[in-house]
Amino acid sequence: GDSVTQMEGPVTLSEEAFLTINCTYTATGYPSLFWYVQYPGEGLQLLLKATKADDKGSNKGFEATYRKETTSFHLEKGSVQVSDSAVYFCALIQTGGGYNKLIFGAGTRLAVHP
Amino acid sequence: EAQVTQNPRYLITVTGKKLTVTCSQNMNHEYMSWYRQDPGLGLRQIYYSMNVEVTDKGDVPEGYKVSRKEKRNFPLILESPSPNQTSLYFCASSRTMNSNQPQHFGDGTRLSIL
Repeated sequence: GDSVTQMEGPVTLSEEAFLTINCTYTATGYPSLFWYVQYPGEGLQLLLKATKADDKGSNKGFEATYRKETTSFHLEKGSVQVSDSAVYFCALIQTGGGYNKLIFGAGTRLAVHP
Repeated sequence: EAQVTQNPRYLITVTGKKLTVTCSQNMNHEYMSWYRQDPGLGLRQIYYSMNVEVTDKGDVPEGYKVSRKEKRNFPLILESPSPNQTSLYFCASSRTMNSNQPQHFGDGTRLSIL
């Protein structure tokens, strides 16, 4: 079945460091891909998305490119801030066939220190 | 303000005592869903609803019930809770289940079943 695999955390960085969180997926067809962020004590918020191959999603300095050839959707940010500390979830949605479902990776915790 | 509201936010209860977690959205969304979040497993879908009176099982429906009598409400019912249902629960909604529609999440309900 469809699945999403993320790099294990926690990822610990100093402020202004470069961030990469790896995400790969297994899916039939052409899923849409998402990154969600969960700040402490809160629900998930959509960070960015891409709906077809080679699309680049971007928001708040974060970027991710839908790579169909490598089935990847890695999250990057050039200079992280303490306020970026959160749990990041990669997810895909497969629609059609009468069964629609959002599938999440296990999540990667990011801790940014001053 | 557009939001998904869950109640209660925290609950400690005992095995076998029926409980209901409420979820309400004020965005007139058709699609609603319940997830549970467990360490190392990410979010897994419990049940979802495509519209009023239309519900279906997700990946982990055992031990849970739902209903969708009104568009705005989607309660999660644990008829006879057990300790393995101790988890963090999220309700989510989107306008439709089209892959271009973002999901809006509630702030979560932390359940502890003793």
